[in-house]
Amino acid sequence: LAKTTQPISMDSYEGQEVNITCSHNNIATNDYITWYQQFPSQGPRFIIQGYKTKVTNEVASLFIPADRKSSTLSLPRVSLSDTAVYYCLVGDTGNQFYFGTGTSLTVIP
Amino acid sequence: EAEVAQSPRYKITEKSQAVAFWCDPISGHATLYWYRQILGQGPELLVQFQDESVVDDSQLPKDRFSAERLKGVDSTLKIQPAELGDSAMYLCASSLAMQGSYEQYFGPGTRLTVT
Repeated sequence: LAKTTQPISMDSYEGQEVNITCSHNNIATNDYITWYQQFPSQGPRFIIQGYKTKVTNEVASLFIPADRKSSTLSLPRVSLSDTAVYYCLVGDTGNQFYFGTGTSLTVIP
Repeated sequence: EAEVAQSPRYKITEKSQAVAFWCDPISGHATLYWYRQILGQGPELLVQFQDESVVDDSQLPKDRFSAERLKGVDSTLKIQPAELGDSAMYLCASSLAMQGSYEQYFGPGTRLTVT
């Protein structure tokens, strides 16, 4: 079971870029890295997924170094609506996905 | 956009009573997950189905919890008897679970309060 380590909380001002780093030292060869966002009283929502190097979509970028033992979720120009808990998961179809406690991001006006 | 359906959204029950939750995954999603989320913590996987078969139920308290997905489509999670510590959000998720794509789609959850 590949567990992850993230900062418990982060604060950022509106309009800034936010980078949340996740450590996953025991990542396996077949594991992918997936990030989810969760608002209060809602189920988590998929943000982005990657295996190596860099992945970008319309809401975020994911940076993965060559050793894959960590990853960084980058949110460009955050707004108040980005205040949420962000989870980093590591796994594949054969493994249980471990959510951990996530990173609580607060965006300040 | 297709969504995962769950019912009820809220449930209040007394301890020692039985309670059941229902989940209808996105059509075509072979993999279904039940999670429990206690306030302030991340979701904890209870059981994972691939079609109608249980793939992982290692974290399911089998003395009181049961889950089924008889026809490989919708699923039911049951607690009997409910205990005060079972108060939590119960989340259902589904995925295609194809190699290279592990995106899970979550339902709105069922908030359970045991009194």
